[in-house]
Formats: sequence, C-alpha cells, structure tokens
Amino acid sequence: GAGVSQSPSNKVTEKGKDVELRCDPISGHTALYWYRQRLGQGLEFLIYFQGNSAPDKSGLPSDRFSAERTGESVSTLTIQRTQQEDSAVYLCASSPYGTYNEQFFGPGTRLTVL
Amino acid sequence: RKEVEQDPGPFNVPEGATVAFNCTYSNSASQSFFWYRQDCRKEPKLLMSVYSSGNEDGRFTAQLNRASQYISLLIRDSKLSDSATYLCVVNRNNYGQNFVFGPGTRLSVLP
Repeated sequence: GAGVSQSPSNKVTEKGKDVELRCDPISGHTALYWYRQRLGQGLEFLIYFQGNSAPDKSGLPSDRFSAERTGESVSTLTIQRTQQEDSAVYLCASSPYGTYNEQFFGPGTRLTVL
Repeated sequence: RKEVEQDPGPFNVPEGATVAFNCTYSNSASQSFFWYRQDCRKEPKLLMSVYSSGNEDGRFTAQLNRASQYISLLIRDSKLSDSATYLCVVNRNNYGQNFVFGPGTRLSVLP
C-alpha cells in the first residue's frame, strides 16, 4: 500500500515568510510524529499526535512552530516568520498503535530559508 | 546525558569486515527497541527490531541487554551498500508510541 507522503518535497522561502508543510500518514496509523533534521545532524523530535489525544508538543523549538492533525488523517506543520536556522529537512513518520510497532517515515520536506 | 547514546563514529571498514555498533539508553522503563538505517539525504528506514532474546537477519545480528540497558548491532561480511548512518531507537512509552532516536553512527565500507 501507499507509504507516508509529504509535500512539498522542497521549499525555498525568504526569511520572515510563513510556510506550511503537509504529511499524509499511512491509512489506519494512529500515531504521527514530526522531526527536524539539520544537515549532518540527528533527528530532533518536534511533535507527536496519537489518535484524538492532546498532542505532545514538547519538542517545538519556539512559538513560531505549530502543527495540527484532524483525527487520524493529514497533518500540517506551520512555521511562522521563518528564520535561516529553520533550514532543515522536516520528516514525518506514522505508526500503528502498539508499543512494538515501528515508525514509517516519509521522504521529508527540504526547507531552505534565504 | 542524552537518553539514547551511540558510538560516535564514523566507522571506516574494508569490505568483508565485521563491525559492531553499541547503544545505551537511560530510561529503564523502555519497552521496545529498533535499529534504523539512514542513507545520505534519505529518510530513516527500519533495519530490524530488537528482541529480548536477540535476533538475526542474514548478516545482521541485534542483541538487547535490559539489565545493562545496552543494545548492539553486529554486521558481518560488510558490503559497500551497508554504508549508511545507523540509528538506535528506543520506545519508552507503555501506552503508545514515544520514540527516542540516538544521534546515529556513520559507517563507510571501503573497497
């Protein structure tokens, strides 16, 4: 079946603009994660959604970052007033409910802030 | 101290070598464990889950020591295509998904 998809694959924006990144999880996966990965660095957790529970926003680096998810469907990550340090690959992953289930990653959105 | 730590790397090994990666985690309540690989400029992909009894998949062997809070990955007969960054991943939540990724160890297999 279809995997996790993300759009756009690449986004170039000017400093100060807002951007919206989209993630389509695998159908039926209740859990959805957003990560940020700067060039040459590890994955940095941003936010986690599990079904209709309140999201875990503990990884969001500032109030310029927000994310939404309706039910168990699409999620959007919004970055307001982008800064050059926001340049990174933003990865989305989904997982079925259950402790022993692995995450499946999308291809990521490469964001460049000029 | 990071919750999941890995060998800093990079590891540069010749083809055919055996290489071992180590990972430690600090949360004793962690429930499940995985190794992912990430190729350059690609997303992480599951390599294998790690079971309490240890498990093997072809040239790859994973071990878990809950008492020492230690996970290992052994790669035998390294291939050029094994060159990647290997990520140790721990799921620490009893009730769902709460994954913590290690910083990764980069492997380069040389001809």
